[in-house]
Amino acid sequence: GENVEQHPSTLSVQEGDSAVIKCTYSDSASNYFPWYKQELGKGPQLIIDIRSNVGEKKDQRIAVTLNKTAKHFSLHITETQPEDSAVYFCAASKGYGGSQGNLIFGKGTKLSVKP
Amino acid sequence: DSGVTQTPKHLITATGQRVTLRCSPRSGDLSVYWYQQSLDQGLQFLIQYYNGEERAKGNILERFSAQQFPDLHSELNLSSLELGDSALYFCASSVNVGGPETQYFGPGTRLLVL
Repeated sequence: GENVEQHPSTLSVQEGDSAVIKCTYSDSASNYFPWYKQELGKGPQLIIDIRSNVGEKKDQRIAVTLNKTAKHFSLHITETQPEDSAVYFCAASKGYGGSQGNLIFGKGTKLSVKP
Repeated sequence: DSGVTQTPKHLITATGQRVTLRCSPRSGDLSVYWYQQSLDQGLQFLIQYYNGEERAKGNILERFSAQQFPDLHSELNLSSLELGDSALYFCASSVNVGGPETQYFGPGTRLLVL
């Protein structure tokens, strides 16, 4: 089955610096790659996602890149702020027609942004 | 606020007991997914329901079962509870009209088995 590996497990940056989190997946049939942010005591919140027909997507300070050949995708956060501190999860799925849409998650990256 | 609601927020029970977790999806969403989050296993998919029917199964134990009702809310039943079942249980919902779609997660139910 699908396996998603995520690195690093912890990341500490200074406010204003950039942060990069990388994930690799094993199943070439996967076609949807969301990123979730989870704050303490809360459920995962979608921050950005990318589909396999797109190589890059950007939303303000957040961007995601996808390399289908190498089967890896990355999250880039620029101009980090203390409120970006949280655990970030990458995920992959190969949903078609309403089935098999379940997400396979990486182990998470704990991001700390120091003021 | 994702629009997905889960009750209860916290649940403390003893080994061997049975509990029911409830989830109401976002308005208009037909699919409900259940996930378990534990320190050692991370976030793992348990089961998916689509418009009342079971659609996909993941690493769900035989002691666990779920259903989705005509009003689209879902319940996850956990029986013969063991200490290792202590975890956060999340449900997520999506519209599911075809193709990969965004899943919106609820706030979770924290289960502690003593």
